[in-house]
Amino acid sequence: DAGITQSPRHKVTETGTPVTLRCHQTENHRYMYWYRQDPGHGLRLIHYSYGVKDTDKGEVSDGYSVSRSKTEDFLLTLESATSSQTSVYFCAISDGGGNNVNQPQHFGDGTRLSIL
Amino acid sequence: AQSVTQPDIHITVSEGASLELRCNYSYGATPYLFWYVQSPGQGLQLLLKYFSGDTLVQGIKGFEAEFKRSQSSFNLRKPSVHWSDAAEYFCAVGAPGGYNKLIFGAGTRLAVHP
Repeated sequence: DAGITQSPRHKVTETGTPVTLRCHQTENHRYMYWYRQDPGHGLRLIHYSYGVKDTDKGEVSDGYSVSRSKTEDFLLTLESATSSQTSVYFCAISDGGGNNVNQPQHFGDGTRLSIL
Repeated sequence: AQSVTQPDIHITVSEGASLELRCNYSYGATPYLFWYVQSPGQGLQLLLKYFSGDTLVQGIKGFEAEFKRSQSSFNLRKPSVHWSDAAEYFCAVGAPGGYNKLIFGAGTRLAVHP
């Protein structure tokens, strides 16, 4: 399995507080992603990174920010958490490659976040 | 816009029975297609992928999938289901714009009866 560690694995916090989730990889993969998973919606992309300090928005980026200061770490921040952000958050990584083929993504075990 | 549809939200099969999970995609060009499995409390694990070539793709855990361009489908099959196959299954298509982005279907939850 790909070396991906998400922390924390579980978190309960209150509305209005800042929250930061961490994704750490040991595979030296170029691309990293944050998703949220909600029943009936599958996985929805929040933000992704295509290199150190290079990030872009996904389909559900409102209320979230990210940072990638090192190849191995990708942080997801909820500046002021809301109850609608209660979800399971997954980090994924993918090898950049050079052959224009869509390489698969590999996933961490997720962070269950509850916002009360 | 590209999309993935998994028509079945829940499927129940008996152990030892055959399985087919449906996936339909909407994509203008030749798609990159993937199937993932998620066990409770865990992340997604790649079962198989289709990039080009042979339209019947073999994956891990005895699964296979067949790409049918005329039907825009990429259905997942297994000839004999085991109780340990109970999980949620996600079909995904490579999204436009590069960076190996994916678009996921909503998933199919598989229950296996003894």
